[in-house]
Amino acid sequence: DVVLTQTPPTLSATIGQSVSISCRSSQSLLDSDGDTYLNWLLQRPGQSPQLLIYSVSNLESGVPNRFSGSGSETDFTLKISGVEAEDLGVYYCMQATHAPYTFGAGTKLELK
Amino acid sequence: QIQLVQSGPELKKPGESVKISCKASGYTFTDYAMHWVKQVPGKGLKWMGWINTYTGKPTYADDFKGRFVFSLEASASTANLQISNLKNEDTANVFCARSDYSGDVAGYYFDYWGQGVMVTVSS
Repeated sequence: DVVLTQTPPTLSATIGQSVSISCRSSQSLLDSDGDTYLNWLLQRPGQSPQLLIYSVSNLESGVPNRFSGSGSETDFTLKISGVEAEDLGVYYCMQATHAPYTFGAGTKLELK
Repeated sequence: QIQLVQSGPELKKPGESVKISCKASGYTFTDYAMHWVKQVPGKGLKWMGWINTYTGKPTYADDFKGRFVFSLEASASTANLQISNLKNEDTANVFCARSDYSGDVAGYYFDYWGQGVMVTVSS
């Protein structure tokens, strides 16, 4: 199975600060169809996960544009440009290029 | 609006069975696949597999073959997950989530999620 390694496990930020989360894959996530199926999700406390970004850099409808994704092959980054209070929770990367779909262990974003 | 509404929490003993449901609304049920995702309390997410809502064909991740059954009540826009011979390690929050799909290939991201069902297995 593909292993996704997220760093850091915990991130402390102040409101307005810009932060980045890394997700590294044990295998290339470039699919034979030319697309790369690496997604980012946020799970707020007590809630279901919600999709933020799909296929590396595509912003899901309704998600603020302070969220952005980048990367290729095995190295991916989620950036939040100006953290807001509602952004607190656990961020997961998820790959859907190789079965079974797998998730990173998560990065918890806390207020400093 | 699009919603996935799951059934309520379950408390079961080891060896028993449980069936949880995920009712979809706000879209054509058979146009989207349904996935199941497990989350042990305080831990990460694990994909259990998916079901083709048009053909009813299930696909299970290796760790979820044998005691787990995905099924449909398509007329009720509902996907079900049954777990038999429950074990303590089945204690988890279980989410349904939808994706698009094409034939036997599931989609690549989950755009809507249910609220989760807490299944507790304890003697």
